[in-house]
Amino acid sequence: GAGVSQSPSNKVTEKGKDVELRCDPISGHTALYWYRQSLGQGLEFLIYFQGNSAPDKSGLPSDRFSAERTGGSVSTLTIQRTQQEDSAVYLCASSLDWGAGNTIYFGEGSWLTVV
Amino acid sequence: AQKVTQAQTEISVVEKEDVTLDCVYETRDTTYYLFWYKQPPSGELVFLIRRNSFDEQNEISGRYSWNFQKSTSSFNFTITASQVVDSAVYFCALSGKGTYKYIFGTGTRLKVLA
Repeated sequence: GAGVSQSPSNKVTEKGKDVELRCDPISGHTALYWYRQSLGQGLEFLIYFQGNSAPDKSGLPSDRFSAERTGGSVSTLTIQRTQQEDSAVYLCASSLDWGAGNTIYFGEGSWLTVV
Repeated sequence: AQKVTQAQTEISVVEKEDVTLDCVYETRDTTYYLFWYKQPPSGELVFLIRRNSFDEQNEISGRYSWNFQKSTSSFNFTITASQVVDSAVYFCALSGKGTYKYIFGTGTRLKVLA
């Protein structure tokens, strides 16, 4: 597609349930990033993919968070046993290649509310 | 360590006023890149500009201009003759050579009042 596509755009879930957030990057972009933005806060880096590989997962807040990317394209961020503090906007971004200087382009985000 | 500071949390101006958004960064890299993004109420971050550390030339794009000064580690953004549509949260970001992380500031919320 023309831009980074994320789904769902909004998700309300009950505490303790699992959620999956999907990201479809710009066609041809090899690098994919997940960030989290809590209400009124800046952007918190979660994880990055180069192709299907995630070299650094240290940004994931806890072991309840996991992410995968398949076919060098679509990525899924999974949050298990959701907690209220997981409520945030989850932003996906992609860039043509990895490394400094590559402009990253963001999707519209998935707004997650845990009740 | 890399860090981006946007000290202005929120700025309100009246339409047609000029406004400058400040961005101060820290890095030990000699090669690095600076970015500005706009996040309108719709939520999507929109890329505005990228500048590398070797290019200190100021840039102007319509009503937008950017002032990059390595001596003060600043990359400030000025909107001339602001408009209501400029109302958004603006983020400054830094990326160093060899890193995959883009470090974002906490953003500045700009409100342009009619």
